[in-house]
Amino acid sequence: AQKITQTQPGMFVQEKEAVTLDCTYDTSDPSYGLFWYKQPSSGEMIFLIYQGSYDQQNATEGRYSLNFQKARKSANLVISASQLGDSAMYFCAMREGQKGAQKLVFGQGTRLTINP
Amino acid sequence: DTAVSQTPKYLVTQMGNDKSIKCEQNLGHDTMYWYKQDSKKFLKIMFSYNNKELIINETVPNRFSPKSPDKAHLNLHINSLELGDSAVYFCASSPYTGGFPDTQYFGPGTRLTVL
Repeated sequence: AQKITQTQPGMFVQEKEAVTLDCTYDTSDPSYGLFWYKQPSSGEMIFLIYQGSYDQQNATEGRYSLNFQKARKSANLVISASQLGDSAMYFCAMREGQKGAQKLVFGQGTRLTINP
Repeated sequence: DTAVSQTPKYLVTQMGNDKSIKCEQNLGHDTMYWYKQDSKKFLKIMFSYNNKELIINETVPNRFSPKSPDKAHLNLHINSLELGDSAVYFCASSPYTGGFPDTQYFGPGTRLTVL
């Protein structure tokens, strides 16, 4: 069963608009972490933002914010005022596993294209 | 001041050959990982090491052998390369605090092409 689901294979957004990338997850563990990574065409994986399952507030990092809805098991990434450089693949990931033996499980990714 | 580095960036080789990919991190992290990204961009963990000790081996064929000479290095050796091994291999590292690995930082990736 898919543990991380990103339902948008591709998204096209006009520059300067806000964009929301969807991510839903499945876990029965009360303690988990959710991450978003950006992979531009150059190929590297860039960490963007993190949300812990016990965090009371939604995480924010500059233009990135995470819309965390625990009851719905969703952790959507919101990018405000999109820029051409935001065009990339975006991956949602969940940290899972027993203490000391944890790993990231990734979603399929969403390819975001920002149009000028 | 590269945080997680990998060499080589590109690797093109023939089927049946043996090759290695090297990874080094200068972040002082205790935990290191290898991930494989296939042609559909799907990322999956292969191994993790904590302070030179193998922690996760995610049902990877025996032809893949990770080695960690110290906690700053994690190398990946692949024997008898097959066409299906063609992928991008990412090394990552994370701090280890209170029993829980934290945010993972990735290297630039090594694109392996097996002909």
